[in-house]
Amino acid sequence: ILNVEQSPQSLHVQEGDSTNFTCSFPSSNFYALHWYRWETAKSPEALFVMTLNGDEKKKGRISATLNTKEGYSYLYIKGSQPEDSATYLCALGYNFNKFYFGSGTKLNVKP
Amino acid sequence: GAGVSQSPSNKVTEKGKDVELRCDPISGHTALYWYRQSLGQGLEFLIYFQGNSAPDKSGLPSDRFSAERTGGSVSTLTIQRTQQEDSAVYLCASSLVLHIRGETQYFGPGTRLLVL
Repeated sequence: ILNVEQSPQSLHVQEGDSTNFTCSFPSSNFYALHWYRWETAKSPEALFVMTLNGDEKKKGRISATLNTKEGYSYLYIKGSQPEDSATYLCALGYNFNKFYFGSGTKLNVKP
Repeated sequence: GAGVSQSPSNKVTEKGKDVELRCDPISGHTALYWYRQSLGQGLEFLIYFQGNSAPDKSGLPSDRFSAERTGGSVSTLTIQRTQQEDSAVYLCASSLVLHIRGETQYFGPGTRLLVL
């Protein structure tokens, strides 16, 4: 079992604050990293897929970077809004038939 | 088009009973995955299907768990002689092709299983 670590476990910010959190993973035999957003009572929603070292992806106010050599990815949210409140999961593909999730960062944005 | 659907959405059962969870993937998606999330834990990968074939069943927690997929579409996850530690949210996902280099997986809403 591979250890995918996300930090912090939870985060409380005020509306308008920018924030970021981390996904750390073993870098050997890396295939792809996915970020998902999981709102309570809904299905996880794919945000980004990144495969190459140095990849940067952006979707609106959310962006992500990837460093496969040192084994980490950052997810950034600029100007957080209450609707950004969710659990953000990272998931790593190593062997093509297995997929390892972190335990998530739970974000709460206060109006 | 329709997304991934799962049924039932909630299931309460007594310890020792068998349960069957169903997943309808997105039409045309050849790969299907099962995960579960126990309380306070991260998502745990259980099994994947490429077509009707599940080449690796090592992620299933015990031999009480089995899964099948027929016609390259619907999949069922069966838990026999349920135990309280089986209580979890069971998620199904599908992708167009098998995840290799970043194929996006689309998740269903999950089945919340409670074993009393």
